[in-house]
Amino acid sequence: AQSVTQLGSHVSVSEGALVLLRCNYSSSVPPYLFWYVQYPNQGLQLLLKYTSAATLVKGINGFEAEFKKSETSFHLTKPSAHMSDAAEYFCAVSSGAGSYQLTFGKGTKLSVIP
Amino acid sequence: KAGVTQTPRYLIKTRGQQVTLSCSPISGHRSVSWYQQTPGQGLQFLFEYFSETQRNKGNFPGRFSGRQFSNSRSEMNVSTLELGDSALYLCASSFSSGVSTDTQYFGPGTRLTVL
Repeated sequence: AQSVTQLGSHVSVSEGALVLLRCNYSSSVPPYLFWYVQYPNQGLQLLLKYTSAATLVKGINGFEAEFKKSETSFHLTKPSAHMSDAAEYFCAVSSGAGSYQLTFGKGTKLSVIP
Repeated sequence: KAGVTQTPRYLIKTRGQQVTLSCSPISGHRSVSWYQQTPGQGLQFLFEYFSETQRNKGNFPGRFSGRQFSNSRSEMNVSTLELGDSALYLCASSFSSGVSTDTQYFGPGTRLTVL
């Protein structure tokens, strides 16, 4: 069984400040990890994914995440927040082996203060 | 390339009715997955279809069903609607190369309200 825990349902940062959204996973097999973003009244957009090729993954819009097996973490960061980053962010895990079932965390709503 | 489309975008039904939602995947994508999103339970996997066959199923009652057509378009059906079925239903498509790091592309969702 897999699970994802996102610490903090709401995070507020000032414009230009560091964004750090936390994700911890539990998986009995080597995980495949994803971060998605959801803007109001829209579907999910992939920010980045971990495919075991490199532990530091760079995504779109300046986001990146680092896979740390020892900490079972996959935290999402961005050096400088923009107003347009305000959205809800979801961390997800799949079990691999051809599985297309994603298990999502509860999400973190990011607010950016001007 | 057109994205994943879902119809209708909004739907209002009453308890006891049934509803059918439609999803058209990105051209060339063969796998379609469905998710339910609610404020309380978050995003939960319903089922996944590939080549007209259900390949995986989440933990939902039998009132939730789906199918996939030969052109990869998919429908999901919910019978005997309950108030708790009010949710955003998201469809995702992927190429399904056999590698589970295939990206799943999501549609905008269908907002179902059950009165």
